[in-house]
Amino acid sequence: QSALTQPRSVSGFPGQSVTISCTGSNTDVGDFRYVSWYRQHPDKAPKLIIDDVNNRPSGVPDRFSASKSGTTASLTISGLQAEDEADYYCCSYGGSYTWIFGGGTKLTVL
Amino acid sequence: EVQLVESGGGLVQRGGSLRLSCAASGFTFNDYRMNWVRQAPAKGLEWISFISAASSLMYYTDPVKGRFTISRDNAKNSLYLQMDDLRSEDTAVYYCVRGARNTNYFDSWGQGTLVTVSS
Repeated sequence: QSALTQPRSVSGFPGQSVTISCTGSNTDVGDFRYVSWYRQHPDKAPKLIIDDVNNRPSGVPDRFSASKSGTTASLTISGLQAEDEADYYCCSYGGSYTWIFGGGTKLTVL
Repeated sequence: EVQLVESGGGLVQRGGSLRLSCAASGFTFNDYRMNWVRQAPAKGLEWISFISAASSLMYYTDPVKGRFTISRDNAKNSLYLQMDDLRSEDTAVYYCVRGARNTNYFDSWGQGTLVTVSS
């Protein structure tokens, strides 16, 4: 299975909103409701920011939201802040206890 | 507090073997499915293996099938990854990752352990 497709980079000014897309296929994103999102700061382990029913773990602000339509999932970050600068990954369940990650998107806060 | 601490990484020659361990604490280990996810240098995340709570199910991504073996010891709250016939493309940070209960996302990650395969 190929990695899900994410833009390599996105950027925005503080206070703005950005959306990161995550495109898969009918055998992963389009077939299952299980798409989750992770954030990774440099030299740190990834952390869950949105689970597969669009819930945010404790500590993740409601500026982060997710959606899905067909074979594309999206993560929207509103009210950008400097600490949002990181790499973001989507992940879809692929059936039979397998998972596929996106290639990752580097968010730069200008 | 959930803690996952990996160990066992290091430098190994191509064709060699390595066994990674993950010590879990802060939760009832035998209630959770576990996974290994890796990240090659400056690359993205790659899920590589899954094991069910009672070790009845194990799955692997194609590039590691037949070479890697996932296992767990619930009495020791530990997860393992036996890696054989290592290749240069296996060079990566390996993360021990807990699967959320009754659904399909990853809710806790270890800090990772680096495996470097030299040629």
